[in-house]
Amino acid sequence: SQQGEEDPQALSIQEGENATMNCSYKTSINNLQWYRQNSGRGLVHLILIRSNEREKHSGRLRVTLDTSKKSSSLLITASRAADTASYFCATILTGGGNKLTFGTGTQLKVEL
Amino acid sequence: DTGVSQDPRHKITKRGQNVTFRCDPISEHNRLYWYRQTLGQGPEFLTYFQNEAQLEKSRLLSDRFSAERPKGSFSTLEIQRTEQGDSAMYLCASSLSGGALGEQFFGPGTRLTVL
Repeated sequence: SQQGEEDPQALSIQEGENATMNCSYKTSINNLQWYRQNSGRGLVHLILIRSNEREKHSGRLRVTLDTSKKSSSLLITASRAADTASYFCATILTGGGNKLTFGTGTQLKVEL
Repeated sequence: DTGVSQDPRHKITKRGQNVTFRCDPISEHNRLYWYRQTLGQGPEFLTYFQNEAQLEKSRLLSDRFSAERPKGSFSTLEIQRTEQGDSAMYLCASSLSGGALGEQFFGPGTRLTVL
């Protein structure tokens, strides 16, 4: 079963704009990760944030985590057409072993 | 290419047939995972190995599904008596125990279509 929901389900923006995606989850986590998936292909790990961290940056990516609200957001700044993809949050649950539990994903389209 | 590889990339089969998929993880990774992804959904965990030991299986993994990792390197996922509901992308991932708190490296997937 999916861990939670991502919002929005689809997002269309112009190149150069920022894109924000939100993820909610249901149970206690060890960490939360964001992955990107280009159409019909495998997933690429983007960034990982631990449960005791609140914010993390990696290049044009900024991730926040609010464990009290069980939510996370991914911000992509100065988006490019190459950022067009589906983005998934995934959690490692507390006591859940090593498996990833994914959200439902946000489809991002960046138009020229 | 030193990433995770999967074979075949696409498989079309008729209902009732058996299929087998192979995954070759990153060579030094001792953990290997299988996930299934249907259209418009996120991947769902099926099973995982640490070395050759299968440590966890999802309830999604019915008795028609079996996975092996005999020498702790490559893994196979077999589906017997396929059903149309088995049509999905089957993703393999690998990781190193103790590495980066759970970052997993995914292969390109095997897309299964059951007619």
